Amino acid sequence: GEDVEQSLFLSVREGDSSVINCTYTDSSSTYLYWYKQEPGAGLQLLTYIFSNMDMKQDQRLTVLLNKKDKHLSLRIADTQTGDSAIYFCADQNRDDKIIFGKGTRLHILP
Amino acid sequence: NAGVTQTPKFRVLKTGQSMTLLCAQDMNHEYMYWYRQDPGMGLRLIHYSVGEGTTAKGEVPDGYNVSRLKKQNFLLGLESAAPSQTSVYFCASSFSGSGYTFGSGTRLTVV
Repeated sequence: GEDVEQSLFLSVREGDSSVINCTYTDSSSTYLYWYKQEPGAGLQLLTYIFSNMDMKQDQRLTVLLNKKDKHLSLRIADTQTGDSAIYFCADQNRDDKIIFGKGTRLHILP
Repeated sequence: NAGVTQTPKFRVLKTGQSMTLLCAQDMNHEYMYWYRQDPGMGLRLIHYSVGEGTTAKGEVPDGYNVSRLKKQNFLLGLESAAPSQTSVYFCASSFSGSGYTFGSGTRLTVV
């Protein structure tokens, strides 16, 4: 079946850039999403990219999509302590089903 | 504020007890979902609904039942709670299956 994989942990120093990577297996993706989950809260939609785009930038966030390799990344520039959270990659296919990765816990070092 | 509201936020049950988790959305979304989140397992889909009066099984439906009698509400029931159902439960809704809006979760402990 379809799968979304991402590393479980990432540590980054405050002020540096964070890059969270994700791979997926679905060949019929329509949208790819990044969600953010802060402690004790639900998932919040951070950004998304259409499957026919290569890049999307939104303030400190840059999403890169390599369709050939089925690789998605989220870059957070100038990482702040408030960026500490779990980040979920998600893939939506043509049947409108969304498959979530297991999440990457981003830890900010002082 | 528009969004997805889950009640209760916390609950402790004894093994064998029953309970219902309520999810309400005021965005007129057609699709609604129940997930459970466990450490190292990510989000797993329990049941979902593509419209009022419809329900379907997700990845881990056993031990749960759902109902969607009104478009804005999606209820998740546990008939006989087991310790394996200790988890954080999230409800989500969407329009035409895109871009889910999540509730803040219900933390359930079964002892």
